[in-house]
Amino acid sequence: DAGVTQSPTHLIKTRGQQVTLRCSPISGHKSVSWYQQVLGQGPQFIFQYYEKEERGRGNFPDRFSARQFPNYSSELNVNALLLGDSALYLCASSLEQGDQPQHFGDGTRLSIL
Amino acid sequence: AQKITQTQPGMFVQEKEAVTLDCTYDTSDQSYGLFWYKQPSSGEMIFLIYQGSYDEQNATEGRYSLNFQKARKSANLVISASQLGDSAMYFCAMRGPSGGSYIPTFGRGTSLIVHP
Repeated sequence: DAGVTQSPTHLIKTRGQQVTLRCSPISGHKSVSWYQQVLGQGPQFIFQYYEKEERGRGNFPDRFSARQFPNYSSELNVNALLLGDSALYLCASSLEQGDQPQHFGDGTRLSIL
Repeated sequence: AQKITQTQPGMFVQEKEAVTLDCTYDTSDQSYGLFWYKQPSSGEMIFLIYQGSYDEQNATEGRYSLNFQKARKSANLVISASQLGDSAMYFCAMRGPSGGSYIPTFGRGTSLIVHP
């Protein structure tokens, strides 16, 4: 079975642009979470979605938004990109909302110039 | 609020030796879970081991064991018989009820280098 897949793997944007990152959870997993990992730090929670509804939100500005589709895949959108948004963005899935551990994808490396 | 502290930015160990990676936590929840993840340079987070706050036995998974000392609020990872492939970043994390969101909190990580 395929694991969590994220696309694209790498992305380069400039300040002020907008970006959309995509995530496909493991088949049958209904919960998807997004994390930002800045170089040298642990992952920071951004969003959690379960059954297409937002179930948790981290301390990130409104420039960050996400959604989950009927097939449980998810998109993370970031508007008005800043240099500080450069990071590895990780997606994780689990069967149900509270299930642990979460299964992570390889991430999308976003660089802002 | 939950907090995870990993005080060792980097650790070195000789191949085939054992190594302990430290993790302390802080939470007001009575029910919580503690995790360790491995992150190779490729970026993906690989789940290693889990310990529930009510588990009486320390968790073990192959060469990994978790030294859980609840009173001290510590959850150290012990890797026995280190292998070159164990070189990676290691993250301690915890999750609590937190209003039902079960959102995990991660530490800053420890870089482990295994020498031949």
